Amino acid sequence: DQQVKQNSPSLSVQEGRISILNCDYTNSMFDYFLWYKKYPAEGPTFLISISSIKDKNEDGRFTVFLNKSAKHLSLHIVPSQPGDSAVYFCAASAQGVASKLTFGTGTRLQVTL
Amino acid sequence: EPEVTQTPSHQVTQMGQEVILRCVPISNHLYFYWYRQILGQKVEFLVSFYNNEISEKSEIFDDQFSVERPDGSNFTLKIRSTKLEDSAMYFCASKLPRGSRNEKLFFGSGTQLSVL
Repeated sequence: DQQVKQNSPSLSVQEGRISILNCDYTNSMFDYFLWYKKYPAEGPTFLISISSIKDKNEDGRFTVFLNKSAKHLSLHIVPSQPGDSAVYFCAASAQGVASKLTFGTGTRLQVTL
Repeated sequence: EPEVTQTPSHQVTQMGQEVILRCVPISNHLYFYWYRQILGQKVEFLVSFYNNEISEKSEIFDDQFSVERPDGSNFTLKIRSTKLEDSAMYFCASKLPRGSRNEKLFFGSGTQLSVL
């Protein structure tokens, strides 16, 4: 049951250009969304989040957009840097005592010189 | 920034053996989690723990799995009789309560479990 989907397993972007990573979800109870970055043999590292009461959140080079009607969110990285090369996971949670995260399958971003 | 620490970083065990994976969550966090990632697959939720009891568990978390917070700082995951399919990277995570200003989940660097 894939409640959170990242349909692009990989993405290659030139340094300095914009990277756009997409995520779709099916569970309408999700009301908090996060993006994590992961390097091999390391734990996921939090990047940016957005609550369902907003449609945009920005932090430096990273912006997350949320379209609730389409159940879609995206992460924009601009400008992309070689150090951004990693696997990016979208995650979502619903209200609840422990509000576990449900992760997508990840998108491997490669930023080329 | 505070960290979630996990030990060991790698664990190799024989099928049928018991393993204990250890974690020290961030000190003022109240919610604790175990996730795992089988090679090439997504990060999967195993169990959440709050107020000294399990809040939620997934289908993966069967009777072979248990969690404990024995001393107020450590948080452990025990697999009683390991199977080949338990081979994965296991991540511990912790966070403040929902509604806190900073409710993001902090992950440790993981324990790579290899069952032979």
